[in-house]
Amino acid sequence: DAGVIQSPRHEVTEMGQEVTLRCKPISGHDYLFWYRQTMMRGLELLIYFNNNVPIDDSGMPEDRFSAKMPNASFSTLKIQPSEPRDSAVYFCASSLGGEQFFGPGTRLTVL
Amino acid sequence: SQQGEEDPQALSIQEGENATMNCSYKTSINNLQWYRQNSGRGLVHLILIRSNEREKHSGRLRVTLDTSKKSSSLLITASRAADTASYFCATVSSGYSTLTFGKGTMLLVSP
Repeated sequence: DAGVIQSPRHEVTEMGQEVTLRCKPISGHDYLFWYRQTMMRGLELLIYFNNNVPIDDSGMPEDRFSAKMPNASFSTLKIQPSEPRDSAVYFCASSLGGEQFFGPGTRLTVL
Repeated sequence: SQQGEEDPQALSIQEGENATMNCSYKTSINNLQWYRQNSGRGLVHLILIRSNEREKHSGRLRVTLDTSKKSSSLLITASRAADTASYFCATVSSGYSTLTFGKGTMLLVSP
């Protein structure tokens, strides 16, 4: 298996633009997690899905953030409109309920 | 907010020495996991220890768990330069499916 795949690996955008981050979990995994990592706040859980259903989105910082999982092999995290304080590395992870397997992350820079 | 707090924040040792990192947490847990993150990469799962276990080994890694003190330690024996990374503890609280990460310990192993 190729592991968790995320795209793009790097994204530079201007304030106010829409940003879409993509994730393909490991085949067969039924949990999918979106995290954000910054120096100041460390690794924060934004939202997670179980069997494609959002279970807990209490970590989503604002209404500007939304996430979907239309099927078992694909998820998106969208920020609209983006702001400079959204600059961070965003990780997707998947699991079968135990250890989590992380993707390489998307480094987002909002100018 | 972080559940786990790693100590020390940074550790610098020579190759061949042992490295010990500690983690404290606040609430009852189902299990505790340790992850490694190399610079610019995603997190990699190292080891999981359940709340009813006290010690676990995996290669050069030894993890202990003291639920009465709400603490865990990760020992890396005979360290190598390739062990240079950040190490995170993460807890799964009882009744939950999600990981709560600490801010990590940065380990530098010099040749």
